[in-house]
Amino acid sequence: GQQVMQIPQYQHVQEGEDFTTYCNSSTTLSNIQWYKQRPGGHPVFLIQLVKSGEVKKQKRLTFQFGEAKKNSSLHITATQTTDVGTYFCAGRNYGGSQGNLIFGKGTKLSVKP
Amino acid sequence: NAGVTQTPKFRVLKTGQSMTLLCAQDMNHEYMYWYRQDPGMGLRLIHYSVGEGTTAKGEVPDGYNVSRLKKQNFLLGLESAAPSQTSVYFCASSWGGWNQPQHFGDGTRLSIL
Repeated sequence: GQQVMQIPQYQHVQEGEDFTTYCNSSTTLSNIQWYKQRPGGHPVFLIQLVKSGEVKKQKRLTFQFGEAKKNSSLHITATQTTDVGTYFCAGRNYGGSQGNLIFGKGTKLSVKP
Repeated sequence: NAGVTQTPKFRVLKTGQSMTLLCAQDMNHEYMYWYRQDPGMGLRLIHYSVGEGTTAKGEVPDGYNVSRLKKQNFLLGLESAAPSQTSVYFCASSWGGWNQPQHFGDGTRLSIL
């Protein structure tokens, strides 16, 4: 079945350092979504990527969708303590029996002030 | 705007007991979802609904039943609770299908002894 692998599982950074999480699928994706979950909170939608090679920015966050639509990344520039949380990607198979969104296991980010 | 409301927030059950988790959304969304979140496992889809009166199985449906009698409500039932069902349960809704952002409730933390 479809799998969405996310790495790393954990990332500890000093405030001000950059952070990147990667999402990889064994199959071509129709779309990929990114969510953030603060400690003790619920997932909150950040962004969706649909097009091959797409790049979107939200302030210090940069999201990319690979040319083959099998991988994606989230990069945070100059992390702040407010960035703490777990970041999830979620992708859906392209074409045929597309099925539901499959979530990666997430990358837990901690930021040391 | 309340968004997605889940009740109860916490519950402790004994093995074999039954219970129903309630999810209510006030955004007139067609799609509703139930997920479970376990440490290191990300979010796994239990059941979902594409509209009033319809339900479908997700990745991990065994031991759960659902009903969507009204568009705004999605109920998740555990007929005979097992310790393996100890988890945090999230309900979500979206306006359209899998290519739309999902809005999550605050979650229900369920412990089964």
